[in-house]
Amino acid sequence: EPEVTQTPSHQVTQMGQEVILRCVPISNHLYFYWYRQILGQKVEFLVSFYNNEISEKSEIFDDQFSVERPDGSNFTLKIRSTKLEDSAMYFCASVRMGDTQYFGPGTRLTVL
Amino acid sequence: SQQGEEDPQALSIQEGENATMNCSYKTSINNLQWYRQNSGRGLVHLILIRSNEREKHSGRLRVTLDTSKKSSSLLITASRAADTASYFCATDESDYKLSFGAGTTVTVRA
Repeated sequence: EPEVTQTPSHQVTQMGQEVILRCVPISNHLYFYWYRQILGQKVEFLVSFYNNEISEKSEIFDDQFSVERPDGSNFTLKIRSTKLEDSAMYFCASVRMGDTQYFGPGTRLTVL
Repeated sequence: SQQGEEDPQALSIQEGENATMNCSYKTSINNLQWYRQNSGRGLVHLILIRSNEREKHSGRLRVTLDTSKKSSSLLITASRAADTASYFCATDESDYKLSFGAGTTVTVRA
């Protein structure tokens, strides 16, 4: 069964550094998402991406965040200058259309 | 904003027993999905139920949806130790964006 993949599984970075989290969505899916989950809290929506542009973003997704689909397969989330409070599990997800949304295994980001 | 909220927050049962958890949400939905998350791991999709469906089964899982009460339930029958996990409901919003509840933590005792 096709699956969403994410790399790396764990990223440790210093405060102020830039990080790029990578995702490969399922190949025939059209909508792509990033969510995050701070330890012990609920999963929160960050951004949705469709037709090569952001379709919706939450208030969490400020100017420090950006997304890109540089080619036909990868979908990346960049945090320009990480803060301590960015430490969380980041999940990528994709959906074909109005159907099951499949999540990747997540990247655990630790900001020191 | 629209959210799924699960109840109870935590549930501890004996292996072989059934586990039931509920989810309430605030506004109209296209569909509702249930996910499982083992500690510190990814979200595994369990089942999707559309707004025009009332009940759905998948193996030992049974999901109901009552759009008039804006609620859903997930029943796990004949629970196993491997069912120990957190369970989340997620309601879709615009562009299929999901809104998650805080989850129900289920512990199945051997």
